[in-house]
This record gives sequence, C-alpha cells and structure tokens, in this order.
Amino acid sequence: AQKITQTQPGMFVQEKEAVTLDCTYDTSDPSYGLFWYKQPSSGEMIFLIYQGSYDQQNATEGRYSLNFQKARKSANLVISASQLGDSAMYFCAMRGDNQGGKLIFGQGTELSVKP
Amino acid sequence: EPEVTQTPSHQVTQMGQEVILRCVPISNHLYFYWYRQILGQKVEFLVSFYNNEISEKSEIFDDQFSVERPDGSNFTLKIRSTKLEDSAMYFCASSGVRPTNEKLFFGSGTQLSVL
Repeated sequence: AQKITQTQPGMFVQEKEAVTLDCTYDTSDPSYGLFWYKQPSSGEMIFLIYQGSYDQQNATEGRYSLNFQKARKSANLVISASQLGDSAMYFCAMRGDNQGGKLIFGQGTELSVKP
Repeated sequence: EPEVTQTPSHQVTQMGQEVILRCVPISNHLYFYWYRQILGQKVEFLVSFYNNEISEKSEIFDDQFSVERPDGSNFTLKIRSTKLEDSAMYFCASSGVRPTNEKLFFGSGTQLSVL
C-alpha cells in the first residue's frame, strides 16, 4: 500500500525567508513519482514540482526545490524567498508505477506568509 | 498552457437527485481521473479511466457513481442519487501517455453542495 504523510498541518514564514514543508512516503513500488501541488483559497490545484524516484538530482522549479532523500523516504518542498502569494495549502502526492497512474495525496500543510 | 475545463463551478442539488459533473480534459491526453476533496480534508482518488474503460476505482466509487466519455472531448462523473456526504469539491484531471512521471493537470473543480 502507498501512503503519504505530511505532519505539519500549518506553517508560518516571514516574507522573503525560506520555508521547508515536510513530506514522507511509503511504497512498495520500485519506481514512483513524487509531486507537490499548491491549492490557494480559490480552490484550484496548481502543479509545482515533480521528482522521479530514479532521478539523480533534486528537482528545482524557480523558487521551488524538492529535497529528495530516498533512503529516508522523504520529499520535502523548499520554497525560497517566500512571497505573500505563497500563502496556500500545499499537498504532497505520489504516483507508483504499479498504481495505474493515480495520485495519492497527503493531508496537506497550510502555509501562511507574514509581511 | 493547456487546461482542463470543468463545468459547472458550483452545483447545488437536493438529496436524492442525480447530478452530472462535466470535464473537458486536455485534448491529447489519454488518462482521465476524478478526485474529490471534502472541505478541510485531503484530496481523495475516486476513479481512473483509460481506453474507454475504468482502470481503477476506490472504495468511495460505489454503484451510485459512474463515469463516461460520451464523445472525443468530454468526460463526465454522474452521481445517481446524491447523499449529504457527497458534498465536496470534485476535481477532474488528465495526463499523457506515461502516467508515472507526468504531472496530472487538474481542472478548477466543481463545488457540489447536497442539501
């Protein structure tokens, strides 16, 4: 069975500072993908970043980077230089090779950026 | 960037009524999904659809739910007899040929309220 765990229900960060959102996962699939999505108060799901289980380097997308530690089964999202518009819910998700393409989501972390 | 389109954005219905939620996935995508998110909770997988048939469904997706791709562009979710607990945000998503390492493109969601 697959499982995604986000242990931080809420996080605060000062504008312009960096913040790390934690995500751990469990899977028996040898190959899998890890994703982060942002959900602002308007409700849509916005893709942020992807990390493949066999990727040698940590993924980066602009101010977003993924700290992938395969042995520890963690895939933390790092947001650098936080902006007020980063305030939202953030979901970690996983997709396994043997799971038919479906995403399994974590419980989410609500990030609040303070001015 | 291409978009997944969902209509309506809000749907209010009486308990016991049938509802159809509509989605237009990205045109060259082959894998289609429905997810739901009850207020304040994580996003849950409902069903995946590939090659004109259901490839996987969750325990939530019981006999009251059905999906259809009636033509080359639309993908619908039908709830035959709605219950109060069906109130949630319903997301349609699609992805391309290789689902494991491709991101899911989500629609903006349909907020379903069952009274």
